[in-house]
Amino acid sequence: DAKTTQPNSMESNEEEPVHLPCNHSTISGTDYIHWYRQLPSQGPEYVIHGLTSNVNNRMASLAIAEDRKSSTLILHRATLRDAAVYYCILRSGGSNYKLTFGKGTLLTVNP
Amino acid sequence: SQTIHQWPATLVQPVGSPLSLECTVEGTSNPNLYWYRQAAGRGLQLLFYSVGIGQISSEVPQNLSASRPQDRQFILSSKKLLLSDSGFYLCAWGRISYNSPLHFGNGTRLTVT
Repeated sequence: DAKTTQPNSMESNEEEPVHLPCNHSTISGTDYIHWYRQLPSQGPEYVIHGLTSNVNNRMASLAIAEDRKSSTLILHRATLRDAAVYYCILRSGGSNYKLTFGKGTLLTVNP
Repeated sequence: SQTIHQWPATLVQPVGSPLSLECTVEGTSNPNLYWYRQAAGRGLQLLFYSVGIGQISSEVPQNLSASRPQDRQFILSSKKLLLSDSGFYLCAWGRISYNSPLHFGNGTRLTVT
């Protein structure tokens, strides 16, 4: 599976936007970029995914670089409930059956 | 709508005792099913996945086994627990398409004493 690189931790203030970066320089043309988040003592929760174009949903936006070697998850207005570990994952055609989670980014939201 | 159930939520077991964790999915058919484990302060490790009844793939050698006796039932077992089996066990379901997300249960926190 193609690897992703994320900062170990980030901090944000409540009601401010948060940009969580992810590098995936070895991404292949058929790899989808998935984002999940895990709140304390819970299972991971799907956030968003995309292939080439930027994507928006009720939870977040996903901005994908033109060369697809990096992406950014955007939380438009952080709340305390957004404090979680955020995982950026590439789901490749060669391993359809599984997702491989890295260490993710621990997001702290300050009141 | 689809739902995934895992139980129990917490479990404390002595070393050497057996283990059985159950996961069921409702509202869908022929899902791919997964067992992940998260040790304290660490990332998620894929243990097993299944694409159909009786079909189990193991990702890492370990003291655990998995079975899928029915389409929407996935069981994680051990004959004799080790201290190193402690962790947060998560069941998930998904579709074969790499365009579709995984949906996780609420997990079982297992402490082996």
